[in-house]
Amino acid sequence: AQSVTQPDIHITVSEGASLELRCNYSYGATPYLFWYVQSPGQGLQLLLKYFSGDTLVQGIKGFEAEFKRSQSSFNLRKPSVHWSDAAEYFCAVGASGTYKYIFGTGTRLKVLA
Amino acid sequence: DGGITQSPKYLFRKEGQNVTLSCEQNLNHDAMYWYRQDPGQGLRLIYYSQIVNDFQKGDIAEGYSVSREKKESFPLTVTSAQKNPTAFYLCASSISPSSGRRASTQYFGPGTRLTVL
Repeated sequence: AQSVTQPDIHITVSEGASLELRCNYSYGATPYLFWYVQSPGQGLQLLLKYFSGDTLVQGIKGFEAEFKRSQSSFNLRKPSVHWSDAAEYFCAVGASGTYKYIFGTGTRLKVLA
Repeated sequence: DGGITQSPKYLFRKEGQNVTLSCEQNLNHDAMYWYRQDPGQGLRLIYYSQIVNDFQKGDIAEGYSVSREKKESFPLTVTSAQKNPTAFYLCASSISPSSGRRASTQYFGPGTRLTVL
């Protein structure tokens, strides 16, 4: 069955510390992978996406993600977290020619001053 | 600015009422989507539309209805048959994957929070 797993429901980091949010997927076709961020009461904003090519993808707000096919993972990273990064982060997987995304259940990030 | 608008931001429904949530986009996207978001459950697809006058059920379509009379608009009606409608509703749009171009990226509106009184 197709699925996306975000193992960490909540993560707390100190401002200035590095961050890694995990995403694992199970998908039969070649996946297209996305990370979105959602502030409270707001819609989802696209951080970055992977379709093909270089497996290290740069996104907005200083985020990057690495696609590892052997591990079925697409982890999101940031070298130094800012207080404004506190939000909920969603990983999603889709495929060429299909309309349906599968979303993970999200990871809520808290940033300590 | 191009984007997706949803209205209202907050909506309250009494038992037995139908309510309609608005979604408009000026991105010239063919495809539009409605998702429901509940705490701890991520996003679940309610309906999607690939083209004007056509739409398909998603994973949780029961108790909802949609129309797609214009490319820019994809309203969602939450009917009285939906027993637990309190949730955050998100609309999204994308280019059509069937256009032969790359996988479509979905862009989201700001959402509507629906509460049943």
